[in-house]
Amino acid sequence: EVVLTQSPATLSLSPGERATLSCRASQSVNIYLAWYQQKPGQAPRLLIYDASNRATGIPARFSGSGSGTDFTLTISSLEPEDFAVYYCQQRYNWPPLTFGQGTRLEIK
Amino acid sequence: ELQLVESGGGLVQPGGSLRLSCAASGFTFSTYAMTWVRQAPGKGLEWVSSISGRDDTTYYADSVKGRFTISRDTSQNTLSLQMNSLRVEDTAVYYCAKVLTAGGTNMVFDYWGQGTLVTVSS
Repeated sequence: EVVLTQSPATLSLSPGERATLSCRASQSVNIYLAWYQQKPGQAPRLLIYDASNRATGIPARFSGSGSGTDFTLTISSLEPEDFAVYYCQQRYNWPPLTFGQGTRLEIK
Repeated sequence: ELQLVESGGGLVQPGGSLRLSCAASGFTFSTYAMTWVRQAPGKGLEWVSSISGRDDTTYYADSVKGRFTISRDTSQNTLSLQMNSLRVEDTAVYYCAKVLTAGGTNMVFDYWGQGTLVTVSS
């Protein structure tokens, strides 16, 4: 099973700042990593797939990078609506599909 | 407009059964892999089960294998999850999700339902 470890667990930043979220895989997942955003009481929303492809309708301030075992989600300039929990998910080696434990992005 | 609407959640005793449904509309349901993902209260996302968009091959997490069954009814555009021998640790919001591209098992989830809460408790 591929274990995804996200860091930090919580990130405290202010609107306008740059956010960098990390996801590390226990073995290579090639580029087959996705990022999701989840707000309280809502379903997850796809942001990035295959490491660096933005999903339809996702603002350009969201970008993804990485391959193999190390991946990064960057939000270039935080908007108030970006404060949420972010999850990574791999689809390279499954079943099982696996998610990271999440990074909570909170307002400082 | 593409929609996924789950139903069937509720309170059930340990050892009981429940059947979840996910009504799909706005896309060619039969050609897309579909998935159930759950989220225990205050916890992260956990993959439960998937069904292929090519040949309806099914896949399960070890934690539910032998207890849960995923299926689809293409005449009703409905995805189902039959849950038997339920345990307290199955308590969660259950989401159905559609994959990004048709056919096969491209497990990137671009549309999610609103979720249905399953509570297993005596």
